[in-house]
Amino acid sequence: AQKVTQAQTEISVVEKEDVTLDCVYETRDTTYYLFWYKQPPSGELVFLIRRNSFDEQNEISGRYSWNFQKSTSSFNFTITASQVVDSAVYFCALSEASGNQFYFGTGTSLTVIP
Amino acid sequence: DAGVTQSPTHLIKTRGQQVTLRCSPKSGHDTVSWYQQALGQGPQFIFQYYEEEERQRGNFPDRFSGHQFPNYSSELNVNALLLGDSALYLCASSVTDSYNEQFFGPGTRLTVL
Repeated sequence: AQKVTQAQTEISVVEKEDVTLDCVYETRDTTYYLFWYKQPPSGELVFLIRRNSFDEQNEISGRYSWNFQKSTSSFNFTITASQVVDSAVYFCALSEASGNQFYFGTGTSLTVIP
Repeated sequence: DAGVTQSPTHLIKTRGQQVTLRCSPKSGHDTVSWYQQALGQGPQFIFQYYEEEERQRGNFPDRFSGHQFPNYSSELNVNALLLGDSALYLCASSVTDSYNEQFFGPGTRLTVL
C-alpha cells in the first residue's frame, strides 16, 4: 500500500532561518512519482516539484531545495533564508506510475515569524 | 490562460441533503480528479475521470458519484450528506500521460449542519 508520512505537524522559524520539512514514503512500486505542494490560507494547492523514482539527483530552485534518497524512502524539502511569505501548509505526495491516484501526507504547517 | 476553476466557493447544507460541486479543468487538460480535504488533514483521493468515465476510485462510499462532460468539465455529487462530509473539496486537472502533473483548483468549502 502507498503511504506518505510527514511527522512534523507544525514548525515555527524566525525569518531568514533555514528549515527542512521531512517526508517519508512507502510503496511497493518500482516506478512512482513524488511531489511537494504548498497550500496557502486561500486553500489552493500550488505545485512545487515533481520527482520520479529513477531520478535521485537533488534539485535546487532559488531558495528551495529537495533531497531524494531512495535508500531511506525520504524526499525532504529545505527552504533557505525563510521569508514570511513561505508561511503555509506544505504537503508531500506520492503517485503510482499511472498517475491516476495521489497519496498525500497530513501536511506540515510552517510559520515564519518576522 | 485560466487555471482550474471550481464552483461554488462555499456551500452550507443540512444532513440528508444532496450536493453538486462543479469543476472546469485547465485549458488543454482532459483528466479530472476529485479530492476531499478534512480540516487539518491531507487531501484524500475520491475518484478520477477521463473520457467521461470513472477511471479510478479511492475508498469512498457510493454516496459519492461523479460525471465528466464532453468539454472535460466535471461534477461531484454527494447524496445523503453526513456531518463528516464537511470538508474542502478539491478538483485537479491534468493531461493523460503527462508525467502526472496535476493542477489544483481553489476548492469548494462544504459545511454540513
